[in-house]
Amino acid sequence: DSGVTQTPKHLITATGQRVTLRCSPRSGDLSVYWYQQSLDQGLQFLIHYYNGEERAKGNILERFSAQQFPDLHSELNLSSLELGDSALYFCASSPTDIFNFPGGNEQFFGPGTRLTVL
Amino acid sequence: ILNVEQSPQSLHVQEGDSTNFTCSFPSSNFYALHWYRWETAKSPEALFVMTLNGDEKKKGRISATLNTKEGYSYLYIKGSQPEDSATYLCAFIVSNAGNMLTFGGGTRLMVKP
Repeated sequence: DSGVTQTPKHLITATGQRVTLRCSPRSGDLSVYWYQQSLDQGLQFLIHYYNGEERAKGNILERFSAQQFPDLHSELNLSSLELGDSALYFCASSPTDIFNFPGGNEQFFGPGTRLTVL
Repeated sequence: ILNVEQSPQSLHVQEGDSTNFTCSFPSSNFYALHWYRWETAKSPEALFVMTLNGDEKKKGRISATLNTKEGYSYLYIKGSQPEDSATYLCAFIVSNAGNMLTFGGGTRLMVKP
């Protein structure tokens, strides 16, 4: 158990809908990262937040947005869902970021949320 | 677009065999390389964070080396055990990309008892 929690574990929804995935980082970790794992692709970085601020953005679609709240938990919002958005979404956390720790901290991954869009 | 390549894609070995696999990454703007172990139905777990050319890290029977000048890292497993069966991922951080990890496709290792 990494100490990172994600809810829900599974989510089944229809095209065009909007969903929110939630992540609670390990106690004390300030950085939260979101990743997408699709069937035909490896782990893809979506976005990184550090202490409430967006730090880096990857291949995140405009239909997707995220935020990190003052209590450090994070939410990933996916809207106008398409069949291709079906994937495993991971959240990871780390104590700080590369600007504060050379090399970057290792990231601790949550169990993931499996999203199925029908 | 950063290209992080891992080879082989999959590997079957017998218990007790030693094995190694490769992660290739762009040698320019290198900042750090991470290795993760991902067991089926679980989440990726960090093995090593490597930052300096010539770095060698070890954890039990698993070790890794780093060559930033030529853009590769090797992961070695000595005396493979069935519980080593997993996908091994490397991930690369570019110096100007914040904490963004670009993952390779992974090497899937299966150790037969």
